[in-house]
Amino acid sequence: IAGITQAPTSQILAAGRRMTLRCTQDMRHNAMYWYRQDLGLGLRLIHYSNTAGTTGKGEVPDGYSVSRANTDDFPLTLASAVPSQTSVYFCASSRTGDSNQPQHFGDGTRLSIL
Amino acid sequence: GQNIDQPTEMTATEGAIVQINCTYQTSGFNGLFWYQQHAGEAPTFLSYNVLDGLEEKGRFSSFLSRSKGYSYLLLKELQMKDSASYLCAVTDSGYALNFGKGTSLLVTP
Repeated sequence: IAGITQAPTSQILAAGRRMTLRCTQDMRHNAMYWYRQDLGLGLRLIHYSNTAGTTGKGEVPDGYSVSRANTDDFPLTLASAVPSQTSVYFCASSRTGDSNQPQHFGDGTRLSIL
Repeated sequence: GQNIDQPTEMTATEGAIVQINCTYQTSGFNGLFWYQQHAGEAPTFLSYNVLDGLEEKGRFSSFLSRSKGYSYLLLKELQMKDSASYLCAVTDSGYALNFGKGTSLLVTP
């Protein structure tokens, strides 16, 4: 079944550690996104990529980095995790980066930083 | 920037009709989305409106008034499985979806 796969499903991480959240899609979508979802705050965009080789900053990019080496993969890295990065992280994709395109979401990664 | 407001919680009875409102203020507007998110799951796309009026898709309809910065999602013949959060999201001329905080709908027997 075509879709978006995120890994790991959940993770508990010590503060200060480096962590990469993986995201892979097989829909040949050009655009991909990373969001975090926190209680009372809703979904907030961290980084996005409109096509392979390009990335951009969203609303809350500090402490996170991304890369887009190919169409399918869009990993999110926390260089040195802090407790405020405890959240549920969703990866999403859309056919193009045009704002009228619906985004399709992965099942999320639940990350706890202790 | 974007300012998107939705009610935090709503309760409705199975078989009834419920309307979830969303108001927004934006410097530019290029469409409004509604997503459904069941607890512990991913958001899923429900509807997209860019022109004024009503879009109907089975039991779900979405309405937009650009001049009023207002949209609503109408759910008919409510079923227990409709208990979920409903997310309103607005796009401006950029690439990002800006989400409201969501409305948690509880459908009771």
